[in-house]
Amino acid sequence: AQSVTQPDIHITVSEGASLELRCNYSYGATPYLFWYVQSPGQGLQLLLKYFSGDTLVQGIKGFEAEFKRSQSSFNLRKPSVHWSDAAEYFCAVNTGGFKTIFGAGTRLFVKA
Amino acid sequence: EAGVAQSPRYKIIEKRQSVAFWCNPISGHATLYWYQQILGQGPKLLIQFQNNGVVDDSQLPKDRFSAERLKGVDSTLKIQPAKLEDSAVYLCASSSRQGGQGNNSPLHFGNGTRLTVT
Repeated sequence: AQSVTQPDIHITVSEGASLELRCNYSYGATPYLFWYVQSPGQGLQLLLKYFSGDTLVQGIKGFEAEFKRSQSSFNLRKPSVHWSDAAEYFCAVNTGGFKTIFGAGTRLFVKA
Repeated sequence: EAGVAQSPRYKIIEKRQSVAFWCNPISGHATLYWYQQILGQGPKLLIQFQNNGVVDDSQLPKDRFSAERLKGVDSTLKIQPAKLEDSAVYLCASSSRQGGQGNNSPLHFGNGTRLTVT
């Protein structure tokens, strides 16, 4: 069965430091890949998506993600974190059917 | 464009009571989803509609949960009777995905309804 793993339940980074959130998926082919962000009390907002082509994709708010087929990974990165980036981040995959599966999420804390 | 609207934002009920949630998707979006998000977990799909037909309800606890999407627009999700473990945020999402086309349309989420069952 398809699955999405986000190994880090929470991560704390200092403001201005770089960030990498990990995501691994289990699927026999290349799925459609997404990163969403959820602020407290809000719904999920799409940060970026990967379907095909260039394996480094750019998203909103200065985020980027890199698809690595050999590692079945789609890690999210940001060069310099801002305090407003504190939120929960979800990796999601769609394997060509109708269902989008979400990981358990990584909560990001930003310290001044 | 107007986003996905959900109501109410919060609901507190006692176990064995019933509750209903409402969702209005983005205009023109054919596909509508209800997700359950338990604290500390990612969203779990409960049911998916394509226009007013059900595409996937394999994870919907049908003995207590029901959902409908009349006229292919608004949708309601009902729980009757509620259990303590139903405490969660219920998220509605929509996408412009059409049947038979690619599955790369992102989901647009509402702000959710936080349900507390006591």
